[in-house]
Amino acid sequence: GAVVSQHPSWVICKSGTSVKIECRSLDFQATTMFWYRQFPKQSLMLMATSNEGSKATYEQGVEKDKFLINHASLTLSTLTVTSAHPEDSSFYICSARDPGGQNPYEQYFGPGTRLTVT
Amino acid sequence: DAKTTQPTSMDCAEGRAANLPCNHSTISGNEYVYWYRQIHSQGPQYIIHGLKNNETNEMASLIITEDRKSSTLILPHATLRDTAVYYCIVRVDPGTASKLTFGTGTRLQVTL
Repeated sequence: GAVVSQHPSWVICKSGTSVKIECRSLDFQATTMFWYRQFPKQSLMLMATSNEGSKATYEQGVEKDKFLINHASLTLSTLTVTSAHPEDSSFYICSARDPGGQNPYEQYFGPGTRLTVT
Repeated sequence: DAKTTQPTSMDCAEGRAANLPCNHSTISGNEYVYWYRQIHSQGPQYIIHGLKNNETNEMASLIITEDRKSSTLILPHATLRDTAVYYCIVRVDPGTASKLTFGTGTRLQVTL
């Protein structure tokens, strides 16, 4: 149980274009999802917390107009990197809570999406 | 949340126990110790957590010192598949839905 998927697993896009990353909870309904970013050889950094049906809460220093988060359903959150630049190249990871599960406040992580902006 | 300190890297022979230390000297009474690991190019995986008692599950054991200022994650029989970065995280009572703050972790290399 508590499986989280991401799509795509990797993507290459040109500078200036936008790219959307999906995060899905496959066997549970997730009222809260999180988006992290991880640069090479660095740790995960929380970007934002996404609550179903409401606006995301962004961490300090994360541009909300550049990283658009939509959590329109209980099983899907999307992160859109708008006007991507090479410095946005990173490993993007989502996680979700399973409020109906054995550990309702634990985070279950997706496999990550590697974004390369050329 | 309290800050943690972990060694940058460790090696362990396959089949032997891997003991990964973590210092959290500023931990407060309502903070739990959590361990996650991240295999290369994958999302983190929850391992175990505890408050003050030692804990064991199918993956690992967690030993927390009596003063709670440090802990050790034990993988009893390490395999090559246990090669990963291990993160020790201190966070307040999970019932409050607190955030996870990842440090730099310990890179464990399991060798033949």
